[in-house]
Amino acid sequence: GDSVTQMEGPVTLSEEAFLTINCTYTATGYPSLFWYVQYPGEGLQLLLKATKADDKGSNKGFEATYRKETTSFHLEKGSVQVSDSAVYFCALSVNSGYSTLTFGKGTMLLVSP
Amino acid sequence: GAVVSQHPSRVICKSGTSVKIECRSLDFQATTMFWYRQFPKQSLMLMATSNEGSKATYEQGVEKDKFLINHASLTLSTLTVTSAHPEDSSFYICSARDRAANTEAFFGQGTRLTVV
Repeated sequence: GDSVTQMEGPVTLSEEAFLTINCTYTATGYPSLFWYVQYPGEGLQLLLKATKADDKGSNKGFEATYRKETTSFHLEKGSVQVSDSAVYFCALSVNSGYSTLTFGKGTMLLVSP
Repeated sequence: GAVVSQHPSRVICKSGTSVKIECRSLDFQATTMFWYRQFPKQSLMLMATSNEGSKATYEQGVEKDKFLINHASLTLSTLTVTSAHPEDSSFYICSARDRAANTEAFFGQGTRLTVV
């Protein structure tokens, strides 16, 4: 079945460091790929998405490129801030749009000043 | 983005009792709602999908008589954990979308259920 694997956390970084959170997937067909972020005490929010191979999703300084050849969708940010501390979830959907999401386990990011 | 409010955020109940969790869409019509469960250090697992006015569709392995889902209006869905046991302790999170508008799904804050 469909699955998403992302690196275990917590990932601990100093402010302004470079961030990479790895995400790989297995799926039938051609999935859409997503990154969601959950700030403390809040629900999940869509951070960025990509719907086809080689698409790059970007938002708030975060980027991820849909790599079909490596079945990956790694999340990157060039310079993290303390306010980026949150749990990040990689997800895929093989149905149209956002109908059914398969999530990774989530990666906690802790950024210190 | 649109707001989905989930209540309560935390609940502790005694074994054998039932607990109701509410999920409300505050500024859009939630034609479809999803209920997820997350065990510590695990993925969010889809439990069921409900369309307004219809019976919920449960994922394989989810007991529909234990996890009662009601989606009677376009702004409210409820999940009732009946005869709760300690193994039902988990983090439950809902999401809602307007299928007709083909929007993304917006998530509630989640509910931490502890059964003692």
